[in-house]
Amino acid sequence: GAVVSQHPSWVICKSGTSVKIECRSLDFQATTMFWYRQFPKQSLMLMATSNEGSKATYEQGVEKDKFLINHASLTLSTLTVTSAHPEDSSFYICSARDGGGSTYEQYFGPGTRLTVT
Amino acid sequence: AQSVAQPEDQVNVAEGNPLTVKCTYSVSGNPYLFWYVQYPNRGLQFLLKYITGDNLVKGSYGFEAEFNKSQTSFHLKKPSALVSDSALYFCAVSPPGGYQKVTFGIGTKLQVIP
Repeated sequence: GAVVSQHPSWVICKSGTSVKIECRSLDFQATTMFWYRQFPKQSLMLMATSNEGSKATYEQGVEKDKFLINHASLTLSTLTVTSAHPEDSSFYICSARDGGGSTYEQYFGPGTRLTVT
Repeated sequence: AQSVAQPEDQVNVAEGNPLTVKCTYSVSGNPYLFWYVQYPNRGLQFLLKYITGDNLVKGSYGFEAEFNKSQTSFHLKKPSALVSDSALYFCAVSPPGGYQKVTFGIGTKLQVIP
């Protein structure tokens, strides 16, 4: 149980275009989802916290107009990287917290490798 | 502000030997502590957590961790390392309640040598 999927797992896009990444909780309802970014040989940096039906809360330094987050249902959150640039190339990982349980761990998706050319 | 320190970038251990991956933390109140493992180009997998209770926590794949409040540490251990344990390990902390932001350490690469 507690499976989180991400799609796509790998994407290449041209500079200036937008890319959407989906995060789904497959067997539980996720009232809260998190989006992280991971640079090579570095830790996960939290970008934003997404609560179902409300606006995402962005971490300091993260451009909300560039990284659009939507959490329209209890099983789906999307991250759209708008007007992508090469410096946006990174590994993006989402996680989800089970809204109905008492567990506190986050269930992580497999990640999406974004390369902007 | 909460923080996590993983003082070793890499830990090398021979297969069959015990392993330890170190983690210290800083947080207000009683911490919630976690260990995750990441294989190349993959997301994180949950290994174990400490919320309350017994200081020795047992988790997946034979791993365990010991919570030491006085030393603010939560070191990950395994009695006998396997080559397949080679991966990147992250320690994480959140404040009491568990519903606040989780902060991750920088990660420690574990290399188990056959």
